[in-house]
Amino acid sequence: ELKVEQNPLFLSMQEGKNYTIYCNYSTTSDRLYWYRQDPGKSLESLFVLLSNGAVKQEGRLMASLDTKARLSTLHITAAVHDLSATYFCAVVSSGAGSYQLTFGKGTKLSVIP
Amino acid sequence: ETGVTQSPTHLIKTRGQQVTLRCSSQSGHNTVSWYQQALGQGPQFIFQYYREEENGRGNFPPRFSGLQFPNYSSELNVNALELDDSALYLCASTHRAGYGYTFGSGTRLTVV
Repeated sequence: ELKVEQNPLFLSMQEGKNYTIYCNYSTTSDRLYWYRQDPGKSLESLFVLLSNGAVKQEGRLMASLDTKARLSTLHITAAVHDLSATYFCAVVSSGAGSYQLTFGKGTKLSVIP
Repeated sequence: ETGVTQSPTHLIKTRGQQVTLRCSSQSGHNTVSWYQQALGQGPQFIFQYYREEENGRGNFPPRFSGLQFPNYSSELNVNALELDDSALYLCASTHRAGYGYTFGSGTRLTVV
């Protein structure tokens, strides 16, 4: 059974600081997603990482994937208040023609002015 | 705008009742999956439909069932509601299984 672990689960950081969220998963997968969720809202896709060594950047967020270590990171550079949200990583697994996303528990990020 | 719409947005039901949630996928997306997100948790996979057939299910009992229609819409039905069924229910559609999930805005179900 695929397990996805994120840490930290809660993160309070000051504006302007840098930090990294980690996502470990237990079995081989070639697709990993990062999502953002604001309170009471749905999931907003941030990144999809498809191969070992993949790195993607959008604004102050950068995601990377190491399939050998089964580790993805989401790095936040010079945080701003607008980045406050819950961030999820999700790993694709397949079986019998079906594909499913297994999510981590999420990292609740609070950026303090 | 996500292209995936869900209805209703909020719903309150009594324990033991039945509920139907609806999802309209993006045109051309022939795969739809449903997820349950309890408060403070990550979404959990309920099941997936491809070309109107269920082809994958997570760890949910049979009282969770679904349908997918030729026009790409789908339904999630839950019978004999329990208090623990209170959650945000999300549907996600893709045009190619395993890639490019588009999530709907969700239905918040409260069971009292």
